Amino acid sequence: EDQVTQSPEALRLQEGESSSLNCSYTVSGLRGLFWYRQDPGKGPEFLFTLYSAGEEKEKERLKATLTKKESFLHITAPKPEDSATYLCAVQAVTGANSKLTFGKGITLSVRP
Amino acid sequence: DVKVTQSSRYLVKRTGEKVFLECVQDMDHENMFWYRQDPGLGLRLIYFSYDVKMKEKGDIPEGYSVSREKKERFSLILESASTNQTSMYLCASSWGVLPLHFGNGTRLTVT
Repeated sequence: EDQVTQSPEALRLQEGESSSLNCSYTVSGLRGLFWYRQDPGKGPEFLFTLYSAGEEKEKERLKATLTKKESFLHITAPKPEDSATYLCAVQAVTGANSKLTFGKGITLSVRP
Repeated sequence: DVKVTQSSRYLVKRTGEKVFLECVQDMDHENMFWYRQDPGLGLRLIYFSYDVKMKEKGDIPEGYSVSREKKERFSLILESASTNQTSMYLCASSWGVLPLHFGNGTRLTVT
């Protein structure tokens, strides 16, 4: 069974204080690992897909990295508008087309 | 830009009622999904569909059914709503193995 564990559950940062969010996963064969951002009262918004160990993707203050067991979402010099819940999900090579297994999310709060 | 539209943002229903949640996507995506999201439990897959009139059970299908009569529309049906089905329901669509695009959710309360 595919499993995704995200840590910490919640993270509070001061504006400008860089940090990392962790996503550990167990999957029979990884087709892709996905990061989403979710604002309160809204659906998840796609951020990145990573396909193989060593791959990195960047978007503004966010950088996602991938190893064979985990992924990190690095946030550099965060701003209050980066406050949201960040979700990690995996897609297995075997099994249903496009089906994702999600972690429980990390709630990030950035204080001005 | 892909748009996934869920017909209601908020619904309040009584125990035992039959409830329909509707979802429409505008990008001709073959795959559509229904998830529910609960605090401390994350997103859990209820049902998904690869094509018109096709459906597959997800991780928590009990108490739910689905209908996909047209490619762009995927309906979630609660045959007899119960209080433990109070939740945020999220619809998503995708093409092939590409990332899912989500709607903004329907917050259902069953009293």
